[in-house]
Amino acid sequence: AQKITQTQPGMFVQEKEAVTLDCTYDTSDPSYGLFWYKQPSSGEMIFLIYQGSYDQQNATEGRYSLNFQKARKSANLVISASQLGDSAMYFCAIDSNNGGNMLTFGGGTRLMVKP
Amino acid sequence: NAGVTQTPKFRVLKTGQSMTLLCAQDMNHEYMYWYRQDPGMGLRLIHYSVGEGTTAKGEVPDGYNVSRLKKQNFLLGLESAAPSQTSVYFCASSDRDPRTEAFFGQGTRLTVV
Repeated sequence: AQKITQTQPGMFVQEKEAVTLDCTYDTSDPSYGLFWYKQPSSGEMIFLIYQGSYDQQNATEGRYSLNFQKARKSANLVISASQLGDSAMYFCAIDSNNGGNMLTFGGGTRLMVKP
Repeated sequence: NAGVTQTPKFRVLKTGQSMTLLCAQDMNHEYMYWYRQDPGMGLRLIHYSVGEGTTAKGEVPDGYNVSRLKKQNFLLGLESAAPSQTSVYFCASSDRDPRTEAFFGQGTRLTVV
């Protein structure tokens, strides 16, 4: 079984500052993938970034980067230069690398960007 | 390019009624999924399919059935709706490669009264 824990129910960040959203995971799979999705108030799920368990480098996608610490089983999302449009729910999810995306999601973190 | 389309977007059911949610994808993806999202929670996997004619149970399959008669469509059925099935339902599809992301539909808000 896999489990994702997001310990921050809600966070505030000042516009243009960086923010880190925490994610810890538990899995018995030797190979797995970690995903972050954004869910704005409109409700759709938007893919942000992916990190494979055997990837040597931390993943980056524009203003998003993933601070992956395998030994600590953490995969924190870092958003640089926050924008008002970043206000949303953020979900961390894990999948075993067996094909497809059978995802286990965390409970999410609500990020609010202050002007 | 529509991506993943769910029908309907909203529905209110009475307890005991049945209904079918339709999901259609136009990306030729092998894998399709149904998730539910309860208020203040993350998504939970109900059922999934790894190809046309196949289905498998996810984390919370009880009270639901699914069918994948065509590669592009994945149907979720509720035979006898219960208030506990009030939720937002998301369909998703993905390529076989687990390193690629799943694409989600816009969601269906279902209320069972």
